[in-house]
Amino acid sequence: AQSVTQLGSHVSVSEGALVLLRCNYSSSVPPYLFWYVQYPNQGLQLLLKYTTGATLVKGINGFEAEFKKSETSFHLTKPSAHMSDAAEYFCAVSFPSTNAGGTSYGKLTFGQGTILTVHP
Amino acid sequence: EPEVTQTPSHQVTQMGQEVILRCVPISNHLYFYWYRQILGQKVEFLVSFYNNEISEKSEIFDDQFSVERPDGSNFTLKIRSTKLEDSAMYFCASSVRGRWEPQHFGDGTRLSIL
Repeated sequence: AQSVTQLGSHVSVSEGALVLLRCNYSSSVPPYLFWYVQYPNQGLQLLLKYTTGATLVKGINGFEAEFKKSETSFHLTKPSAHMSDAAEYFCAVSFPSTNAGGTSYGKLTFGQGTILTVHP
Repeated sequence: EPEVTQTPSHQVTQMGQEVILRCVPISNHLYFYWYRQILGQKVEFLVSFYNNEISEKSEIFDDQFSVERPDGSNFTLKIRSTKLEDSAMYFCASSVRGRWEPQHFGDGTRLSIL
């Protein structure tokens, strides 16, 4: 079955430290991959995406993620955490269609989310 | 930057009542979605809508749910007879094209069923 797993529901780092949020997916065919961030009382904001091409993708606010097909992973990193990075982060995947027509309309499957806390 | 807007931000409804959640997607987008997030759980896909019809729906999206694009700008989710378990945050999203394009999300409507 197709699934998305985020390891660690809570991650705590010090300001200036490396941020690493993990995401693994289960699919026999590479999907399209996204990271979203959610600040309190706000919607989901796109951080970055991987569709094709370069496997290291850069996003907003200094975040980047690397698609590793062999590991079925798409971990999110930021070299130096800032207090303003405190939020909940969601990995989301658009899996290839399994319907007979082969058309996919972009349904996203989300991981359970990781709450990032940044300490001074 | 264009945004997806959702109204109301919070809706309180008695169990068994009908509720309509409203969304205005980004104007040049063609694909529309509803998701929900029950408190403490994952964001779950409900339905996608393209070319004035439902293109895909989840098991959650049963006969109590319906979607409509009544005019060129609004996209609505109707729950016909609400249950306690429908309490959740409901997110609307839109994208220019299909699965390779990122979806833009609204801020959500928090639905509380009493």
